[in-house]
Formats: sequence, C-alpha cells, structure tokens
Amino acid sequence: NAGVTQTPKFQVLKTGQSMTLQCAQDMNHEYMSWYRQDPGMGLRLIHYSVGAGITDQGEVPNGYNVSRSTTEDFPLRLLSAAPSQTSVYFCASSSSTGNTEAFFGQGTRLTVV
Amino acid sequence: AQKVTQAQTEISVVEKEDVTLDCVYETRDTTYYLFWYKQPPSGELVFLIRRNSFDEQNEISGRYSWNFQKSTSSFNFTITASQVVDSAVYFCALSEPFSGSARQLTFGSGTQLTVLP
Repeated sequence: NAGVTQTPKFQVLKTGQSMTLQCAQDMNHEYMSWYRQDPGMGLRLIHYSVGAGITDQGEVPNGYNVSRSTTEDFPLRLLSAAPSQTSVYFCASSSSTGNTEAFFGQGTRLTVV
Repeated sequence: AQKVTQAQTEISVVEKEDVTLDCVYETRDTTYYLFWYKQPPSGELVFLIRRNSFDEQNEISGRYSWNFQKSTSSFNFTITASQVVDSAVYFCALSEPFSGSARQLTFGSGTQLTVLP
C-alpha cells in the first residue's frame, strides 16, 4: 500500500505566488488533516476533513484553503504565499472507526522567499 | 483548550543508557487518547503507541515502555538500553475529545533525543 502520498517533497515559492500541495491516500480513510511543523513548535493543525465535501478549520487556518471532493484527495492551497508560511507540511489520514492512529505522508518542505 | 507539554527540548545519552521522555497534557475531557510518534532524521512520522484515557496499565514493547498516570496527567516514554538508531525527535500528542481516531491531534513541541555511541 502506498498509504499517504504528498507531492511535491520540496518547493520554493516567491512571496505572493500561489500553489497547491497535493495529498492522496489509498486506505479509504474518512478523516484527513493538514499540519505544519515549525522548529520548536511541534505540529499544528491547519485544516481537517471528516469526509468528502466536509472541511473545517484547525488551529492555524489563515492563508490556507482546502477542499475535499473525493475520499482519496485533500489538497491544501496557499493563496498568496508569505515568508511566514515557510514550514514543513504534513498530510495525515485516519479511520473513522476510532481505533487507529493517524497515518502521515512524507512531508513537503516549503520555502517562501 | 487542550495542551501538551514536552519540557525536555533536547536529551543526550550514551548508548545503552536508559532514557525517559516526559509528556504532560491538559484537557477538560474525560475521554481522550494519547499518542507517541517518532520522527527520525529522514523526517517521516512513525507511530509508536496509542493509549486511551480509561486504560492506565503500563505498556511495554521491546525496549520501549510507557507510563500513563491520569492523576498527574502524564504519559511518559522510556527507552531501555538506548541505541544510536533511537536518535530522533519524539512527539507526544493528544486527540480531540470522544474520539480514538486521530483526526485532530494536539502535539507537544517534541524532544530531540541524541544517542551517542
């Protein structure tokens, strides 16, 4: 199984540019989430989804948009990149049955210059 | 609001020493789940354990053991006879209320463990 796949692995953006981080999972999980990891701060939840067509904000949603049109995919959009969005981004998925952990993608290292 | 505190930012030990990583959490909920994840230098997040708030039994898995104490809101992680391959950042995390699923996790800031040969 591929699990959770994130693309790209690395990206450099200029301030003001937009881009989409892709996330796909093949485990038929209902729940998907996006986190950002910054030095000394652990991982913080950006947005999450409990199923296709349903999304909600996490702790740090500003500057990011998400949508969930299929169970498999949960893209994260940066509308106008800022240096403060330089971070490592992780996508995660988990089952709704409750007795599992979150499965994480390999991460996307984003630098905004 | 939920909060997870990992007060130890960095720990360095010599191979074969035992080491304990501390995790203290705050939540108003009576039902919750706690997790530990390992992040090796390669950057991926590796699941280690999940524990629900009703199960205070300690758990042992090989060289790893976990001590959950609800009375002190702590979920500490001990590595016995540490090895160089244990060098990583370790994260403790708390789930949203009433869900064992990890759709919303509150992470601690992590502890960087370095095991020296």
